[in-house]
Amino acid sequence: NAGVTQTPKFRILKIGQSMTLQCTQDMNHNYMYWYRQDPGMGLKLIYYSVGAGITDKGEVPNGYNVSRSTTEDFPLRLELAAPSQTSVYFCASSYSMAGTGYEQYFGPGTRLTVT
Amino acid sequence: GENVEQHPSTLSVQEGDSAVIKCTYSDSASNYFPWYKQELGKRPQLIIDIRSNVGEKKDQRIAVTLNKTAKHFSLHITETQPEDSAVYFCAASPNFGNEKLTFGTGTRLTIIP
Repeated sequence: NAGVTQTPKFRILKIGQSMTLQCTQDMNHNYMYWYRQDPGMGLKLIYYSVGAGITDKGEVPNGYNVSRSTTEDFPLRLELAAPSQTSVYFCASSYSMAGTGYEQYFGPGTRLTVT
Repeated sequence: GENVEQHPSTLSVQEGDSAVIKCTYSDSASNYFPWYKQELGKRPQLIIDIRSNVGEKKDQRIAVTLNKTAKHFSLHITETQPEDSAVYFCAASPNFGNEKLTFGTGTRLTIIP
């Protein structure tokens, strides 16, 4: 298993540009998540999905959009990039059943700079 | 929503000594408390977790304790080794790790040889 993979590893955007961060998992996990990690800070949840076709906002969703058309893929879309979106973005996945939760597995991250 | 505070932000200990990192949470509904280790430039990885029906859990040199009444939980690392140097994050969730995992701001642990 490759686990959770993310592309690209690094990206520099100009203010106002848009881009999509890709995330794929091959563990047949039902839950997927997007976090951002600012320097010296913990991770903050942007969006999450409990299954294909279902997404919901996390703590910091403004400026982002997501979709989940398949179990494996959970892309994160940035529209009109702003310097405040400079961060490291981590995708994660977990297998969860009603009443119990399991470990979240993280991807390697995408380092995004908006200038 | 949930608020997780973590202390200290930096910690240096001599190799072989013990390290303790403490976290407090605000939401009494939280029932799952994982600890993640993040090495420089790498992804976070789970090292241990505890659920609200357990007061203590141990895995070799690592242990976690939970005090639900006081809403705090702690990570204990004994016999520290250089490879323990990393940033450690605590987190809390009201749904056994599903959906909303709220992270602390991290503790940078440095092991001095």
